[in-house]
Amino acid sequence: QKEVEQNSGPLSVPEGAIASLNCTYSDQGSQSFFWYRQYSGKSPELIMFIYSNGDKEDGRFTAQLNKASQYVSLLIRDSQPSDSATYLCAVNYGGSQGNLIFGKGTKLSVKP
Amino acid sequence: SAVISQKPSRDICQRGTSLTIQCQVDSQVTMMFWYRQQPGQSLTLIATANQGSEATYESGFVIDKFPISRPNLTFSTLTVSNMSPEDSSIYLCSVPRDNWVKTQYFGPGTRLLVL
Repeated sequence: QKEVEQNSGPLSVPEGAIASLNCTYSDQGSQSFFWYRQYSGKSPELIMFIYSNGDKEDGRFTAQLNKASQYVSLLIRDSQPSDSATYLCAVNYGGSQGNLIFGKGTKLSVKP
Repeated sequence: SAVISQKPSRDICQRGTSLTIQCQVDSQVTMMFWYRQQPGQSLTLIATANQGSEATYESGFVIDKFPISRPNLTFSTLTVSNMSPEDSSIYLCSVPRDNWVKTQYFGPGTRLLVL
């Protein structure tokens, strides 16, 4: 059974702080890893993807991947109240766009 | 990026009835996906809808409960049949992003409440 695990939160950080969101996955053969942001009542929106071990930065967002530990994380620097949302980790285990497994999401709250 | 629309955006239904959800995308795509997101839960794939062939259902989902149509490359429908309160959920359709980033674009979702 392929699984993606995330802490459900809520994770509360003050405005301007770094928010750290974590995800572990069970399938060692997984190749592609994604972070989606989902605002309340809205559909998921892709914000980051990473394929290789190490860090990938895009603006205030950094995705980190450690395949040996089967661990993916998302760092949000200078957190803003507008970052308050649920963050879903998704793992592609089979190579096709349809082979996605989603975690349950971590709810982030950024306090002004 | 693909633009996806869904109808209805939300509905309240009585148990025992059926609801058909429509998904329209602004470009031709081979695959369309249907997901369910139950309250407080993650996204669970119901089925993959391919144009010109039967939908492929995931474990735990059956065609009698969730019949799917895919009449062309831009449109699909999902029917939730003989509904019960346990079917209260958000139903999302999605399409592949591209061959490089192997993930999906999601539609706005249909929020269903079954009484």
